[in-house]
Amino acid sequence: DAKTTQPNSMESNEEEPVHLPCNHSTISGTDYIHWYRQLPSQGPEYVIHGLTSNVNNRMASLAIAEDRKSSTLILHRATLRDAAVYYCILRPAREYGNKLVFGAGTILRVKS
Amino acid sequence: EPEVTQTPSHQVTQMGQEVILRCVPISNHLYFYWYRQILGQKVEFLVSFYNNEISEKSEIFDDQFSVERPDGSNFTLKIRSTKLEDSAMYFCASRLPGQVNYGYTFGSGTRLTVV
Repeated sequence: DAKTTQPNSMESNEEEPVHLPCNHSTISGTDYIHWYRQLPSQGPEYVIHGLTSNVNNRMASLAIAEDRKSSTLILHRATLRDAAVYYCILRPAREYGNKLVFGAGTILRVKS
Repeated sequence: EPEVTQTPSHQVTQMGQEVILRCVPISNHLYFYWYRQILGQKVEFLVSFYNNEISEKSEIFDDQFSVERPDGSNFTLKIRSTKLEDSAMYFCASRLPGQVNYGYTFGSGTRLTVV
């Protein structure tokens, strides 16, 4: 499985945008880029995913580099509730053998 | 919004005892998963299940583990003879079929403590 690299931790102020980077230089052409987050004492939660184009949903935006070797999760206005571990995961576009492989992720701290 | 429900939220068991962790996936999902997370460590894949059979399992998922979908709604993980190192959070997840890469929905987990 292709590997991702994320910073160990980041800090943000409440109400400000947060850009969480992810490097995936060995991504293959059919790998989707998934982002999940894990709030304290909870299970992982799906945030967003994309293949080549930038994506927006009610939780966040995903900006994907043109060469697809990196991506950035954007939280437009961080709240205290966004403090969590954020995982960037590559998932092959096939029906089987498609478990999510979690790394250490980025611990996001949000200051009030 | 549909949820994956896990019970119990916390289970304490004695070493060597059998435990069954229960999950109710989202009703129209067809792929089911178990993951675990030892305190302070990464979320680890255990097993995936589709069409009433295991489709993939990790090295962690040895003979003491088994999964079952006994009826149309429940998905269970059984640990036959628990060890101290089985203490962890266990998460169930489910997703829709299809190659379009739908997101996975995780439950809130069962905290298993083996004493």
